[in-house]
Amino acid sequence: NAGVTQTPKFQVLKTGQSMTLQCAQDMNHNSMYWYRQDPGMGLRLIYYSASEGTTDKGEVPNGYNVSRLNKREFSLRLESAAPSQTSVYFCASSEPAGLITDTQYFGPGTRLTVL
Amino acid sequence: GENVEQHPSTLSVQEGDSAVIKCTYSDSASNYFPWYKQELGKRPQLIIDIRSNVGEKKDQRIAVTLNKTAKHFSLHITETQPEDSAVYFCAATSVYNQGGKLIFGQGTELSVKP
Repeated sequence: NAGVTQTPKFQVLKTGQSMTLQCAQDMNHNSMYWYRQDPGMGLRLIYYSASEGTTDKGEVPNGYNVSRLNKREFSLRLESAAPSQTSVYFCASSEPAGLITDTQYFGPGTRLTVL
Repeated sequence: GENVEQHPSTLSVQEGDSAVIKCTYSDSASNYFPWYKQELGKRPQLIIDIRSNVGEKKDQRIAVTLNKTAKHFSLHITETQPEDSAVYFCAATSVYNQGGKLIFGQGTELSVKP
């Protein structure tokens, strides 16, 4: 099993450009998440998908959109990139069993720089 | 919503010493508290977790304690080794959080000096 995979690993954008970060998991998990990591700020939740067909905002959703394409794939789109979106982006997945929260498994991350 | 505060932000210890990292949370409904370790340039990985029906949990050199009344939980690492050097994140969530979303603390950079 590959676990959680992300593409690309690195990306440099100019202000105003758009791009989509891809995430896929092969663990048959229902829930998927997008985080951004900035120095001293920890991991902040951007959007999450509790199950296929649903998406919800997290702590810092402004400037982002998401698509849960199917159970395996969850993409994050930046429509008009800004320097403040320079960060490392992590995708994660988990399999909450009913009301019991379970381990989140993280992808390797995408390092994005917006000039 | 939930807020998680983590201290200290950096911690330096000598090899063989113990290290303690503390977190406080704001939502009394929170009932799941995982700890993640992130080595430089790598992804976060779960190292231990505790649920609100348990006060303490151990796994070899790592232990986590939970005080529900005071709304804080701590990570204890004994007999530290250089490979324990990493950033550690605490997190919290409530059973009422749909989809198991976590709120993370700001992280603690642990440095273990040989």
